[in-house]
Amino acid sequence: DIVMTQSPDSLAVSLGERATINCKSSQSVLSNSNNKNYLAWYQQKPGQPPKLLIHWASTRKSGVPDRFSGSGSGTDFTLTITSLQAEDVAVYYCHQYYTTPRTFGQGTKVEIK
Amino acid sequence: EVQLVESGGGLVKPGGSLRLSCATSGLIFSNTWMSWVRQAPGKGLEWVATDGGTTEYAAPVKGRFTISRDDSKNTLYLQMNSLKTEDTAVYYCTTNNIADYWGQGTLVTVSS
Repeated sequence: DIVMTQSPDSLAVSLGERATINCKSSQSVLSNSNNKNYLAWYQQKPGQPPKLLIHWASTRKSGVPDRFSGSGSGTDFTLTITSLQAEDVAVYYCHQYYTTPRTFGQGTKVEIK
Repeated sequence: EVQLVESGGGLVKPGGSLRLSCATSGLIFSNTWMSWVRQAPGKGLEWVATDGGTTEYAAPVKGRFTISRDDSKNTLYLQMNSLKTEDTAVYYCTTNNIADYWGQGTLVTVSS
């Protein structure tokens, strides 16, 4: 199984500042056939289902604010929120859909400092 | 607008069974891979099963859970047998391999 490890487990960031979440996979999730990274990021607010933010490691889903960006390739990935807003308080998960079993990171809780 | 609505959750004793449903609208259901993902109380996300033409299951549920679909009703199902206390979770249905849409979830509680 591919193990997804996020860091940190939680972080507190001031409003308007940058938040950075890392995700490392135990095996590469980059496909040689299409050169795509099978890596997604989700946001989950309390009492709500997760919401897709980014797929293919760096493609923002339509309607997601451009302060959210994803980067990385192979086994190391990053979700960046460039200017944290109050509504961004949530838990963020990375997810690999490269192979079965599909696996998620343990989650990173983002709070306001 | 894509909508997913889960139902069928509830309280069941260990060893019991439940069938979850996920009614969909706003998508071409017959062409859409569908999955179940669960979240135990206060915990992270765990993939359960996918129906993408062929079916695949997570190891903890293989042999006990069955994912199926009725394309005429645009509905996904999860038959859960031999339930264990560790199956207690909110169960979400999701679309496609990137899980681009999620339902609100249905809570399954396995307890004596």
